[in-house]
Amino acid sequence: NAGVMQNPRHLVRRRGQEARLRCSPMKGHSHVYWYRQLPEEGLKFMVYLQKENIIDESGMPKERFSAEFPKEGPSILRIQQVVRGDSAAYFCASGGLAGNTDTQYFGPGTRLTVL
Amino acid sequence: ILNVEQSPQSLHVQEGDSTNFTCSFPSSNFYALHWYRWETAKSPEALFVMTLNGDEKKKGRISATLNTKEGYSYLYIKGSQPEDSATYLCASYNAGNMLTFGGGTRLMVKP
Repeated sequence: NAGVMQNPRHLVRRRGQEARLRCSPMKGHSHVYWYRQLPEEGLKFMVYLQKENIIDESGMPKERFSAEFPKEGPSILRIQQVVRGDSAAYFCASGGLAGNTDTQYFGPGTRLTVL
Repeated sequence: ILNVEQSPQSLHVQEGDSTNFTCSFPSSNFYALHWYRWETAKSPEALFVMTLNGDEKKKGRISATLNTKEGYSYLYIKGSQPEDSATYLCASYNAGNMLTFGGGTRLMVKP
C-alpha cells in the first residue's frame, strides 16, 4: 500500500513564475491537508480539502495561493507569481476520516526554492 | 491563534538513558493531541492520537500521557537508542481550528 506521494520533491522557480505542487493521498483516503514549513519555523496548516471541496482554507495566504482536489487525480497546491518568501517545504497529509481526531499520514514534502 | 509549546527544544542523551519531553496546548475546546516522529529527510511519522483525559498510549519503548484539564502531554522513551534520534512533534486540535503544531523537541541519542 503506497504511502502519500508528493512531486516534485524539489522545485526551483524564478520570481514571478508559477509553482504547482502535487499530492496523491494514500489509497482510500479522501481527506487532504497541506502544511508549510518556512525556514527555521514549524509546520503551519494551510488548507484542508475533501474530494472536490475546500473545507478549511484559513491558513492560506489571501493572494496567489490556491488548492484543489479534483474528483480524479492528485491534489494540487498552486502558487502564482512566486516570491522569495515562498521558499519553504510544503507537506501534504491524508486521512481516511473527517476531522482532526484521525491520524494524518504525511508525504515526503516538496522543497520549493525561489531564486 | 493557538499556542502549542514543546520543551525542551533539543535534548542530548546517552544510549540506554530514558527520557521524556513535554507538549503544552490550550485546554479549552480540546479535541485531540497528535504526536509525530520526524527523522531528517523523511516524512513525519504518526505515533499517537490521544483524545481522552488520562489517556496513556504505548508503542514499543515509546509511550505518551495526556492531561486535557491542564493542557499537557508527556512523551517518554525508555532505554533510548541511536535510531530514536529525531524531532518529536506534537499538534493540538481544538474546536474552530485546524491542527496546530508545536516547534518540536530535537532528540539526539549518542551511542
